Amino acid sequence: GQNIDQPTEMTATEGAIVQINCTYQTSGFNGLFWYQQHAGEAPTFLSYNVLDGLEEKGRFSSFLSRSKGYSYLLLKELQMKDSASYLCAVGDSNYQLIWGAGTKLIIKP
Amino acid sequence: GAVVSQHPSRVICKSGTSVKIECRSLDFQATTMFWYRQFPKKSLMLMATSNEGSKATYEQGVEKDKFLINHASLTLSTLTVTSAHPEDSSFYICSARDVGREGVNTEAFFGQGTRLTVV
Repeated sequence: GQNIDQPTEMTATEGAIVQINCTYQTSGFNGLFWYQQHAGEAPTFLSYNVLDGLEEKGRFSSFLSRSKGYSYLLLKELQMKDSASYLCAVGDSNYQLIWGAGTKLIIKP
Repeated sequence: GAVVSQHPSRVICKSGTSVKIECRSLDFQATTMFWYRQFPKKSLMLMATSNEGSKATYEQGVEKDKFLINHASLTLSTLTVTSAHPEDSSFYICSARDVGREGVNTEAFFGQGTRLTVV
């Protein structure tokens, strides 16, 4: 079956760094996406990885290891507005997105 | 990035009535649009995949006669919740991909979502 695992909830302190992990098992692989979703709003795109390695975009970075079926989203210099759910999604062999349940990130002052 | 517009953002309807939700890709053509439902504190649940000019493909457990999907053009897909009941109250979100890059796993652009409340 197809499965994506990520922690349900994480807590971090403003100004700190947090890493949100995602492991996946899918039928085929056509890229891994990270989305941010604030409560009551639609998800917004953060990053896309299709090759192994680290992609950096400002305060956010995303890493992928295809051999390990593993990715992480790294958030630096955390701000209160980063409090949100972070969704990991993988494109399968049919280019359909398989979604993780999301990680709720709580930022404390 | 590309823009997907979803309307209405909020709707309250009486039990037994039908509600139509529109999803438009404003600056690109989308052969495929996706309809999701999201319960509080839960992730997105794919309801159906909407293909322009053909019948939608529904996920297991989703009633196609209750959730009618029409994708008449490359820029518009609609979801109609027929004979709505309180248990249909939820957050419905559409997403679309750029046909110009079909076959490549591009990011999905999301509409703003529709909060449906059935009373």
